[in-house]
Amino acid sequence: GAGVSQTPSNKVTEKGKYVELRCDPISGHTALYWYRQSLGQGPEFLIYFQGTGAADDSGLPNDRFFAVRPEGSVSTLKIQRTERGDSAVYLCASSLPGGRSTDTQYFGPGTRLTVL
Amino acid sequence: DAKTTQPPSMDCAEGRAANLPCNHSTISGNEYVYWYRQIHSQGPQYIIHGLKNNETNEMASLIITEDRKSSTLILPHATLRDTAVYYCIVRGPSGSARQLTFGSGTQLTVLP
Repeated sequence: GAGVSQTPSNKVTEKGKYVELRCDPISGHTALYWYRQSLGQGPEFLIYFQGTGAADDSGLPNDRFFAVRPEGSVSTLKIQRTERGDSAVYLCASSLPGGRSTDTQYFGPGTRLTVL
Repeated sequence: DAKTTQPPSMDCAEGRAANLPCNHSTISGNEYVYWYRQIHSQGPQYIIHGLKNNETNEMASLIITEDRKSSTLILPHATLRDTAVYYCIVRGPSGSARQLTFGSGTQLTVLP
């Protein structure tokens, strides 16, 4: 079946602009995660949704970052007033109902964001 | 979640077994060991996980020491497509933080 999809695959923007990154999870997966990966480093957690609500947003770096999942499926990560330091690959993952001991996360291919 | 330590890089000859070590000396009794890998320009891919017993699936085997302070991921017959960064992650049980905490991983290069 279809895996996690993310759009766009690449996004180039200018400093100070607003961007939206989209994630389509695997059908039936109620848990959804956003991570950010800088060059040469492992992914870093940003936010976790269980259904429509953000169960843990402790990884969001500041209030310029916001994510929504209004219908419990597709999620959008929104970044306001982008800075050059926001340049990274943004990864989305989904899993079956979170809270189980061994819920496996399935990752999308990521969106490469470049802020000029 | 407990911290993990992995060598930054390893090489392996094609067709041979690749043995990737991971130290997790502060692991708690109810924490699981997960392995993911990330092929260049792709998202991380789940490989295997375990709690106490050794585990095997179609991709790999996971050997966890009796004291649970270290583990080894074994790719029995490495191919060029196994070249990737391999991440060892310790994760708590249900009720604890659900996100994965990635370290720097091990860059495995399979040589022809």
